[in-house]
Amino acid sequence: QVQLVQSGAEVKTPGASVKVSCKASGYSFTAHYIHWYRQAPGQGPEWMGRIHPNSGAANSAQNFQGRVTITRDTSITTAYMEMTRLTSDDTAVYYCTRDDRAGSVDYWGQGTLVTVSS
Amino acid sequence: DVVMTQSPLSLPVILGQPASISCRSSQSLVHSDGNTYLSWFHQRPGQSPRRLIYKVSNRDSGVPDRFGGSGSGTDFTLEISSVEAEDAGVYYCMEGTHWPSFIFGQGTKLEIK
Repeated sequence: QVQLVQSGAEVKTPGASVKVSCKASGYSFTAHYIHWYRQAPGQGPEWMGRIHPNSGAANSAQNFQGRVTITRDTSITTAYMEMTRLTSDDTAVYYCTRDDRAGSVDYWGQGTLVTVSS
Repeated sequence: DVVMTQSPLSLPVILGQPASISCRSSQSLVHSDGNTYLSWFHQRPGQSPRRLIYKVSNRDSGVPDRFGGSGSGTDFTLEISSVEAEDAGVYYCMEGTHWPSFIFGQGTKLEIK
């Protein structure tokens, strides 16, 4: 069965960086985009970017350009999202999700809580 | 960017009664391929979103048939024919027409009275 398993919760100080991983299994990793979202308390998911695991080509949202880098390692079917220069506003749950190749996303990781606090 | 606006933001519903959630997009969601990429998700506290509906009206596997999606262009609706206790949580619409970003609405919190 399709699974996306994310790395564990992180606590960071302002100005630090964080890298969240998303291990995919149960399907052809290189055939589906992986999207990254974040969700602050009481808010809807906010699109951060996506990567095509086959080519490695990635897009990121204008809001995050310069701070977010999305990569993948096909040998271990894992996608990564790294965010730099963290502030308290970046405190949120971060999710990876699989593009279903039909204009939507279907499977989600369990989420990774990133807390930024001094 | 496309903006997805849901209403109401809060929806109290009595068990067994119907519920309806509206989603409006700032741009048409009709893709150049003729499809309309509008999905609905349900999220319970502490859980990841779960997709219920894709391409406006197609139910995902395992989704009860009391859930139905409809609409076209810029206006869409999720209807629950008879609300059950497990339906509590937040509902989101999401557009997938305007690549590369898939944009969510702000959510509608359904509470059972």
